[in-house]
Amino acid sequence: DAGVTQSPTHLIKTRGQHVTLRCSPISGHKSVSWYQQVLGQGPQFIFQYYEKEERGRGNFPDRFSARQFPNYSSELNVNALLLGDSALYLCASSLAQGDQPQHFGDGTRLSIL
Amino acid sequence: QKEVEQNSGPLSVPEGAIASLNCTYSDRGSQSFFWYRQYSGKSPELIMFIYSNGDKEDGRFTAQLNKASQYVSLLIRDSQPSDSATYLCAVNPPYGGATNKLIFGTGTLLAVQP
Repeated sequence: DAGVTQSPTHLIKTRGQHVTLRCSPISGHKSVSWYQQVLGQGPQFIFQYYEKEERGRGNFPDRFSARQFPNYSSELNVNALLLGDSALYLCASSLAQGDQPQHFGDGTRLSIL
Repeated sequence: QKEVEQNSGPLSVPEGAIASLNCTYSDRGSQSFFWYRQYSGKSPELIMFIYSNGDKEDGRFTAQLNKASQYVSLLIRDSQPSDSATYLCAVNPPYGGATNKLIFGTGTLLAVQP
């Protein structure tokens, strides 16, 4: 079975631009979470969606938004990109919300120039 | 105090030895605990999870949980050079089960010497 798939794998943007990152969960998984990982740090929670509703939000500015579609895939949008948004963006899926183990995709490496 | 703390390492062990990785967490109500392995330039890979006090074994890996001490550890037996990676400890804090928010430590870099 396919794991969590993310696209694109790499992206280069300039300050002020907008970016959309995409994620398809493992088949049968209904919960998708987004994380940001900067070099040398552990991933930081951005959003969680379950059954197409936002169930959790981390300490990120309103420039970050996300949504989940009826097929449980998800998009993360970031507006007005800043240099500090350069990071590895990770999508994780789990069967349901709560204590379920989360499985990560390969991530999207975003570089802001 | 950081919510999840790990020694950044590097932890260097000889091939065939037991590697012991440790993690402490601050939220006493946390109920689920996860260990991820992350190779350089790759994404985290789930290797163990534990919910109850005590030990949980899976192959060469053993996760240990002590909720009273707010301490979780990962033992890797018969360490191999391929185990060299950063090991991330993650905790799901108590939000009434409504979210899958994982709080990660900064990770411990393990180096297994051939």
